[in-house]
Amino acid sequence: KQEVTQIPAALSVPEGENLVLNCSFTDSAIYNLQWFRQDPGKGLTSLLLIQSSQREQTSGRLNASLDKSSGRSTLYIAASQPGDSATYLCAVTGTASKLTFGTGTRLQVTL
Amino acid sequence: DTGVSQDPRHKITKRGQNVTFRCDPISEHNRLYWYRQTLGQGPEFLTYFQNEAQLEKSRLLSDRFSAERPKGSFSTLEIQRTEQGDSAMYLCASIPRAQNTEAFFGQGTRLTVV
Repeated sequence: KQEVTQIPAALSVPEGENLVLNCSFTDSAIYNLQWFRQDPGKGLTSLLLIQSSQREQTSGRLNASLDKSSGRSTLYIAASQPGDSATYLCAVTGTASKLTFGTGTRLQVTL
Repeated sequence: DTGVSQDPRHKITKRGQNVTFRCDPISEHNRLYWYRQTLGQGPEFLTYFQNEAQLEKSRLLSDRFSAERPKGSFSTLEIQRTEQGDSAMYLCASIPRAQNTEAFFGQGTRLTVV
């Protein structure tokens, strides 16, 4: 059974810092990996999708990497802003496009 | 706005009552998924449809839960005889026909059973 772990569970950084969120998964037989953002009480917004054959994806200040063989992914956020405060969820896609999620990293960016 | 709509956004119900949620996916997406998220946890898979066919149900989906997707368009998730443990956020996602593409999630329905 696939298990996804995210470290740290919570993170507080001052505005302007660069930061890294970590995600690990136990079964490397994945089709892709997605990073999502979730604001309190809201749904999920897709940030980045990395196919299993890819090593990284970039969107603006976000960069995600994938090392499928070691079961790891990182989300790098450059020059953090208070508006980045949210919970970040990592999910791997298995058979039938079902997603298995981690428990998330709750990020707070302070002024 | 992802293009996936869920209704209602919030529902408070008394224990033992039945509730029904609706999800309208992006129109050209043929696959639709239901997930449940409890506080502090990541979403967990409940069930999914390809067109109108329900292809898989998680063991989390007890006999009190039923889902439908008539005509392969919108979907409904019904919970009968609600229990306090059913309190959660219920999320719907749709995925297009192409393989290995991103999932688009709705805003969710927050259910509180009192």
